[in-house]
Amino acid sequence: AQRVTQPEKLLSVFKGAPVELKCNYSYSGSPELFWYVQYSRQRLQLLLRHISRESIKGFTADLNKGETSFHLKKPFAQEEDSAMYYCALSMDSNYQLIWGAGTKLIIKP
Amino acid sequence: GAGVSQTPSNKVTEKGKYVELRCDPISGHTALYWYRQSLGQGPEFLIYFQGTGAADDSGLPNDRFFAVRPEGSVSTLKIQRTERGDSAVYLCASSLDSSGANVLTFGAGSRLTVL
Repeated sequence: AQRVTQPEKLLSVFKGAPVELKCNYSYSGSPELFWYVQYSRQRLQLLLRHISRESIKGFTADLNKGETSFHLKKPFAQEEDSAMYYCALSMDSNYQLIWGAGTKLIIKP
Repeated sequence: GAGVSQTPSNKVTEKGKYVELRCDPISGHTALYWYRQSLGQGPEFLIYFQGTGAADDSGLPNDRFFAVRPEGSVSTLKIQRTERGDSAVYLCASSLDSSGANVLTFGAGSRLTVL
């Protein structure tokens, strides 16, 4: 079955340190991967998607089909990056998204 | 409107009662989605509307759950004979259409607590 796994429920790093939030997926077709973020007391919102190949707020993510991963990275964490991060998978550009359980990122001052 | 609006933001009800949750999507968005998020989990797909029709309701957990979107705009998720396991945050999202971009704009959610 299709699945998205975010192995870390909680990730805590110091400000200025590099951050990597892991996301692995299981799907044999053409996946479309997304990272959504939810800041404290705010709505879930799109951070970035792999087809755009863009950097948002200093974050990047590369789809690795060989390792079935879509890890989210940022070289220097900032306190305002503290939030819940969700990885999501769309199968063959289907409208339905399959979500990971999320990783809570805490940036310590 | 400026964003996706969901009401009520919080609903506490007793087991066995009937509940309605409302979603007002962004004006002009033809696609509307309902997701359910239980504590510590990611969102789980419930149902998707394209226009007025439910294009895919395969995520509805059982026949106590039903959703409508009669005029292709506002949608109502209806839950009959609520159970404690229905307690969750119910998220509504809309997108311009259902094409592959899947860039969803979410509402703030309706937190349902069944006592």
